[in-house]
Amino acid sequence: GAVVSQHPSRVICKSGTSVKIECRSLDFQATTMFWYRQFPKKSLMLMATSNEGSKATYEQGVEKDKFLINHASLTLSTLTVTSAHPEDSSFYICSASAGETEAFFGQGTRLTVV
Amino acid sequence: GIQVEQSPPDLILQEGANSTLRCNFSDSVNNLQWFHQNPWGQLINLFYIPSGTKQNGRLSATTVATERYSLLYISSSQTTDSGVYFCAVEPPGNQFYFGTGTSLTVIP
Repeated sequence: GAVVSQHPSRVICKSGTSVKIECRSLDFQATTMFWYRQFPKKSLMLMATSNEGSKATYEQGVEKDKFLINHASLTLSTLTVTSAHPEDSSFYICSASAGETEAFFGQGTRLTVV
Repeated sequence: GIQVEQSPPDLILQEGANSTLRCNFSDSVNNLQWFHQNPWGQLINLFYIPSGTKQNGRLSATTVATERYSLLYISSSQTTDSGVYFCAVEPPGNQFYFGTGTSLTVIP
């Protein structure tokens, strides 16, 4: 299957700083990328959907100014957690698809805010 | 929005036993995928199955889109099958939504 690379896999940051997570589709052009958040022992919750070259569509309850999503090219989307706080600590996963087809997932990023 | 419910939420099996995991969804979907999440959090794509039946080794899956459910069968379970299994559906609109998950523990 296609490969989606997510970086970093683990990050610890200080409260108040910003963290950027990258999601790259390595061998296909991802017209759509998704960002998910997972709390311990819970399912994955869709945060936002981004289409290349346009603004992301955020799910209800997700703060747009807190979680900045950029999808500047067909192979790269970034999620920036701004002014991070301990409650932002979580597991974040991206996925990518080339339209209405199978989605491929990154390895996930475990964010810890101290 | 669409509701995606999985059952059972937790399952404990003896090694070698068979099991069936179910995924019900509340609206029509264009796509459905099954995943196994390993202890490190990584999602392993098991099946891309918007309809019909597929088999891969000891695993098989069936989706009946008209009745809004999908089943994942695990035969001759092994301890390495332990983990959380998710289904994810894509309703019209190009967004994937995950089910509630089934936590499987296979004991030797």
